[in-house]
Amino acid sequence: AQSVTQLDSQVPVFEEAPVELRCNYSSSVSVYLFWYVQYPNQGLQLLLKYLSGSTLVKGINGFEAEFNKSQTSFHLRKPSVHISDTAEYFCAVTYTGNQFYFGTGTSLTVIP
Amino acid sequence: NAGVTQTPKFRVLKTGQSMTLLCAQDMNHEYMYWYRQDPGMGLRLIHYSVGEGTTAKGEVPDGYNVSRLKKQNFLLGLESAAPSQTSVYFCASTWGWRDSEQYFGPGTRLTVT
Repeated sequence: AQSVTQLDSQVPVFEEAPVELRCNYSSSVSVYLFWYVQYPNQGLQLLLKYLSGSTLVKGINGFEAEFNKSQTSFHLRKPSVHISDTAEYFCAVTYTGNQFYFGTGTSLTVIP
Repeated sequence: NAGVTQTPKFRVLKTGQSMTLLCAQDMNHEYMYWYRQDPGMGLRLIHYSVGEGTTAKGEVPDGYNVSRLKKQNFLLGLESAAPSQTSVYFCASTWGWRDSEQYFGPGTRLTVT
């Protein structure tokens, strides 16, 4: 079955420290990958997306992600987190554009 | 532009009652989706639509029905609510191309007692 796995359900990190949120997906010939962020009591917002081309994708708020086809991963990184980055982060994949498959989410808590 | 809006924002139902959730988008998107979000389970697709007048089942369609009579609206119905349907429901829309991201509404928090 096609799926997305987010390996860490909760990630605490100190302010100004780097963070990596992990995401693995089921292999396919072509895949489109997304990271979304959800702040408390809000809908999801797009952080970044990988469509094709360069495997390093830059998004909003200083986040970036690297597509690794051989490891079927799309990990999200930020070199220095802020309190305002505290949120739930979701990795998502689509293979056909009809349906999107979401991971179970990673709760990032930035500690002052 | 309002983007994607959902009505209502909160609702409490008794078991067996029915209700309809309304999703509206003003971006002329072709595709629309209904998800439910439960703790530890991420977002699960209930139903989706790839155009006006069309609907399709997602991962967890049982107990729900949908309609897309107008391109800008996507309705989610619960005919006989059950406590297992207590959840936060999100609507999303997209152009439908493989590389287009989804735009989400603010969510509806439904409690079934």
